Amino acid sequence: AQSVTQPDIHITVSEGASLELRCNYSYGATPYLFWYVQSPGQGLQLLLKYFSGDTLVQGIKGFEAEFKRSQSSFNLRKPSVHWSDAAEYFCAVGKSSGDKLTFGTGTRLAVRP
Amino acid sequence: EAQVTQNPRYLITVTGKKLTVTCSQNMNHEYMSWYRQDPGLGLRQIYYSMNVEVTDKGDVPEGYKVSRKEKRNFPLILESPSPNQTSLYFCASRTSGRVWELFFGEGSRLTVL
Repeated sequence: AQSVTQPDIHITVSEGASLELRCNYSYGATPYLFWYVQSPGQGLQLLLKYFSGDTLVQGIKGFEAEFKRSQSSFNLRKPSVHWSDAAEYFCAVGKSSGDKLTFGTGTRLAVRP
Repeated sequence: EAQVTQNPRYLITVTGKKLTVTCSQNMNHEYMSWYRQDPGLGLRQIYYSMNVEVTDKGDVPEGYKVSRKEKRNFPLILESPSPNQTSLYFCASRTSGRVWELFFGEGSRLTVL
């Protein structure tokens, strides 16, 4: 069965500082990996996705993620955080068949002025 | 505009009173799914449908029913709601093909008293 672990429940960073959110997955085959963001009271917005190819994936809002098969990780990064990035971030893993997307428990990001 | 529409967005009901949360998508997607989101648990899949008249259980199907009589609609039915079904519900639909993406609705916040 597939699973996702986001080890950090809450993270606080200062505005302008760099950010890395951790994600580890468990899946027997090549995973499809996603990062979503959820602002307070909002739905989920896709930041980026990885299916194959280049292991460094660029997304929207200046985010990127790197797939590391040897570490079963797909960490999300941003070089300089803005106050508007305060939100909850979810990592997810899916099968190629697309019948199920399994989510992590989320990391809530706070941005210090 | 491509979208997934859920109704109602907010609902307070009482134990045992049947309710239906509607979901409609205008992207002609074959695949649709329902998730519930609870604090500390992330999003968990309730049911999914690969096409019209084809539905299957997700991770937490107990207490829910679904139907898929037409491609655009995928209602979630709570025959006899209980307080442990108080949650934030998301409907989603997915593009087809090897590289796919899940599109989410805005969410429906349900409170069962």
